[in-house]
This record gives sequence, structure tokens and C-alpha cells, in this order.
Amino acid sequence: SYVLTQPPSVSVAPGKTARITCGGNNIGSKSVHWYQQKPGQAPVLVIYYDSDRPSGIPERFSGSNSGNTATLTISRVEAGDEADYYCQVWDSSSDHHVVFGGGTKRTVL
Amino acid sequence: EVQLVESGGGLVQPGGSLRLSCAASGFTVSSNYMSWVRQAPGKGLEWVSVIYSGGSTYYADSVKGRFTISRDNSKNTLYLQMNSLRAEDTAVYYCARDQGFGELNFDYWGQGTLVTVSS
Repeated sequence: SYVLTQPPSVSVAPGKTARITCGGNNIGSKSVHWYQQKPGQAPVLVIYYDSDRPSGIPERFSGSNSGNTATLTISRVEAGDEADYYCQVWDSSSDHHVVFGGGTKRTVL
Repeated sequence: EVQLVESGGGLVQPGGSLRLSCAASGFTVSSNYMSWVRQAPGKGLEWVSVIYSGGSTYYADSVKGRFTISRDNSKNTLYLQMNSLRAEDTAVYYCARDQGFGELNFDYWGQGTLVTVSS
């Protein structure tokens, strides 16, 4: 089955740029989606199809995907961005399974 | 406004059964792909199952043969029947709606319902 690898944690100072990676074999050939989850809350979709933003998600959130790595970039980080972030793909070749990365805890210094 | 409200969670003994419900409003469950996703305490997200608008169903290997996803169109409600429950099934279970753009990704989630499997 397909595996997505994320760093366990990323720390960044307010106002700086955070980059959260999601590694997978030839992930650039798949569509990657990203979710933000704050403690005690349900996940929220922040990026879909590699780089599209749902309505209501700030432009500070952006995404890219190429080769074996997809990246979620958060510009001008704010304290309110502190959360867990998960990448996700749909592996249609593997019994239609949805695969999530292990999650990255993003901490604001 | 789209809303998903799960119910049915609780404490169950190993080997027992439980049925989760997800009542939807603001859209039609049968016209969308719907999934269940779970999260064990302190752990990451794990996809459990999907039901497509055409009725096809798929499951994670960890629950195949034990869990059944279904829907009641008249009640606009999604279900997850869980049998032969194990301690490792302990988690918050979320229902989630696919956006509908072709590849599964979830634009709306319920608040989750906690299932605890313990003796």
C-alpha cells in the first residue's frame, strides 16, 4: 500500500514561513490534499489538488507537488496556525484506499 | 449550510458491536461520496471506509470483513456497522464528505464520536 511520510514536527517563529513536507513514491503523479487539525477539533481542508485553496482559507496557505515530495507552505505564520497538519492522497489503484500521512505538529516559537 | 452530526459512539467490550450514525443536512448523502475516518487517542488520521454515490463500498484492510458502511437515503444518514470490535478500534470516528471533484478529499467533517473498546 502507498505510504506518505511527514516530519513529526516543524517549529517556526511568528511572521516567518513554515514548510511541511509529505514524501511518497512519485507523489508528483498524484493529487495531494492537506488538512489542518487543532486540538479537540475535526480536521479542516486547507489545500486540495496540490495547490487549490477552499473558500475561507487565507492566501498565506499554499501547496506544491513534484517528484517524490509535496509541500504545504504557510507564509507569515501566526499563532493561530499552531496545529497538526496531514497530507492525503487517493490511491485508486489500491482498492480505492485513502491514505493519510502521519501528521506534522506545527509549533509557533 | 452543510452539517454532519455523528452519534452512536460509546463503551463496548472486545468482540462486541456498535452502529455509528452520521446525520447530514444541507446536501444529499446519496449524491456524494461519503467516508468514515478515525483517529486513535493521540494518533493520526486513518481512513476507514467509503461509499460512492453509485453504492460501491471500500474498506481499509484493518476493518475489512468486520465493518460495513451504508446509508439510508430517506433519512439522509450515513452509517457504520462495526462488529468484532478490538481494542485497536478505539478512536474518534468522523464522517466526512468528498468534495466531488473526482479524487477523494474531504471538505466537510462531523465533530466526531468516540468509540472505546475495553473490558
